[in-house]
Amino acid sequence: DGGITQSPKYLFRKEGQNVTLSCEQNLNHDAMYWYRQDPGQGLRLIYYSQIVNDFQKGDIAEGYSVSREKKESFPLTVTSAQKNPTAFYLCASSTRTSGGISSSTDTQYFGPGTRLTVL
Amino acid sequence: AQKVTQAQTEISVVEKEDVTLDCVYETRDTTYYLFWYKQPPSGELVFLIRRNSFDEQNEISGRYSWNFQKSTSSFNFTITASQVVDSAVYFCALSEAGYGNKLVFGAGTILRVKS
Repeated sequence: DGGITQSPKYLFRKEGQNVTLSCEQNLNHDAMYWYRQDPGQGLRLIYYSQIVNDFQKGDIAEGYSVSREKKESFPLTVTSAQKNPTAFYLCASSTRTSGGISSSTDTQYFGPGTRLTVL
Repeated sequence: AQKVTQAQTEISVVEKEDVTLDCVYETRDTTYYLFWYKQPPSGELVFLIRRNSFDEQNEISGRYSWNFQKSTSSFNFTITASQVVDSAVYFCALSEAGYGNKLVFGAGTILRVKS
């Protein structure tokens, strides 16, 4: 079955620790995204990658890092520099990259999410 | 700047009632895309619909329908004859062409359907 998987489903972290959230897709999508969701709020973009070995900061990248060494994988590291990391993290992917004002945009499909709690 | 407003924080209805979720957007671009997603209690976002700015036709899919009006910058979502399984958080989102396919989300509307 094609889809997006995220692991773990629940993650607990002590203050001062770095943790890495996994996101894998077998949809052959070029682009991948990480969003953060806080209670009562919409999703906010952390990082996105339109192609392997390239990624860009989103609106709230501070305290996070990513890598895109393989097309299928886009792990997110929450570093100790992130002041308030407790949140629900969602990964998404889409088929087509955007390259300019005439480019179209494709639908983003989401994984099941990882709930991170800092103890 | 892009912005999506979902003014209704929470709506409660009784099963079989019709319900409309409002979405108002702001954009300076002439080419943009609007989306609705459903987030059930499990947490995963489920894609419902995508509409581009050049297609103002309303769409119906089963009990779901969408009304897109550029004149009022609105993209409202109606569920007809609601069911308990429709209980979820619904998000409206906007993407501008040439903006890296980045989605800007509204804050979401919690829909509770009671039996």
